[in-house]
Amino acid sequence: DTGVSQDPRHKITKRGQNVTFRCDPISEHNRLYWYRQTLGQGPEFLTYFQNEAQLEKSRLLSDRFSAERPKGSFSTLEIQRTEQGDSAMYLCASSLDPSRETQYFGPGTRLLVL
Amino acid sequence: DAKTTQPPSMDCAEGRAANLPCNHSTISGNEYVYWYRQIHSQGPQYIIHGLKNNETNEMASLIITEDRKSSTLILPHATLRDTAVYYCIVRVGSVDGGSQGNLIFGKGTKLSVKP
Repeated sequence: DTGVSQDPRHKITKRGQNVTFRCDPISEHNRLYWYRQTLGQGPEFLTYFQNEAQLEKSRLLSDRFSAERPKGSFSTLEIQRTEQGDSAMYLCASSLDPSRETQYFGPGTRLLVL
Repeated sequence: DAKTTQPPSMDCAEGRAANLPCNHSTISGNEYVYWYRQIHSQGPQYIIHGLKNNETNEMASLIITEDRKSSTLILPHATLRDTAVYYCIVRVGSVDGGSQGNLIFGKGTKLSVKP
């Protein structure tokens, strides 16, 4: 257990539905990252926050995706109008900045879109 | 795209040393080498990182060649619980400036430790 928690751990939804995932980072960590991982591939970066500011978004993050970190603590990732191609593991990681480089990953949320 | 090349899979006997190679021939002077691993159905786990000197911690050793174009992660006494996908990543450190922080993963090496 790294101290990063994600909820839910598994989600099954029907195409077209909206889903929201939550990530609780290690409390003193000011950087929070979201990654997506499909079967047989390494994780791919989606977006990251420094405190409450969203500083970078990958081109993978289409306009159906939105992430927030309103108080600089937990973060949510919402996918609107889900598609079957959104089926993946969604990973959250946190780190201290700038002196510490290690990212601590949560267990992930596995999404299946039917 | 990932800046590293790793073999897709390796086997290792339990109790023996596992030596996982990584090529990063285009590494820049301010880029670090990081290793993470991912055990099935879990999130990636940090193992070790280095710039140019060899590094050792309680999990592993990292050997970086003098020209920094390749490195080897060494698990000195592999156990069945070390079976995982191992990722070698190069990135600029944020202390050196300019790092956005995100990790760029390749496909990694699937290490199977066998009894």
